[in-house]
Amino acid sequence: AQRVTQPEKLLSVFKGAPVELKCNYSYSGSPELFWYVQYSRQRLQLLLRHISRESIKGFTADLNKGETSFHLKKPFAQEEDSAMYYCALGGEETSGSRLTFGEGTQLTVNP
Amino acid sequence: EPEVTQTPSHQVTQMGQEVILRCVPISNHLYFYWYRQILGQKVEFLVSFYNNEISEKSEIFDDQFSVERPDGSNFTLKIRSTKLEDSAMYFCASLSQGTYNQPQHFGDGTRLSIL
Repeated sequence: AQRVTQPEKLLSVFKGAPVELKCNYSYSGSPELFWYVQYSRQRLQLLLRHISRESIKGFTADLNKGETSFHLKKPFAQEEDSAMYYCALGGEETSGSRLTFGEGTQLTVNP
Repeated sequence: EPEVTQTPSHQVTQMGQEVILRCVPISNHLYFYWYRQILGQKVEFLVSFYNNEISEKSEIFDDQFSVERPDGSNFTLKIRSTKLEDSAMYFCASLSQGTYNQPQHFGDGTRLSIL
């Protein structure tokens, strides 16, 4: 069964501080992992996917298969980063398969 | 940039009534999804749709739910006889193709309130 765990429901940091949002997954196959962000009452927007290995808005995430983790990191948080962040897991076995979401982490960046 | 659009943004319905939530996926996308998010809880998968049929559904998606793509552009979710516990945010999503690590694109959601 697929499962995603985001252990922190709330995370509060000061502007300019590093931030790490944790995500662990459970999946027997080769995982597809994504981070989605939801700004206040807006749609879920794709932030990152593991295969692209790119940095978006200063965020990066590395897939660690040994630790089954896909933590989201940013070295210097900005106030506009305040949002809800969801880690999501897809599976490769079936084309276009469902996403399994974590509980989400509400990030607040204080001035 | 093309977007998934959902209507209405907010639907208020009496318990026991039928409700239809509408979505227009991105035009060249092939896979379509409905998810829901009960207030304060995680986003949950309901159903996926490909090639004019349901490809996968969750245990939430019981006989009260149905999906349709009636005209090649709209993708609808129907709840036949709504219950209080159907109150949630419903998100539609679409995906261009099922290749590895392609992201699903989400709409703004429809907030469904059952009275």
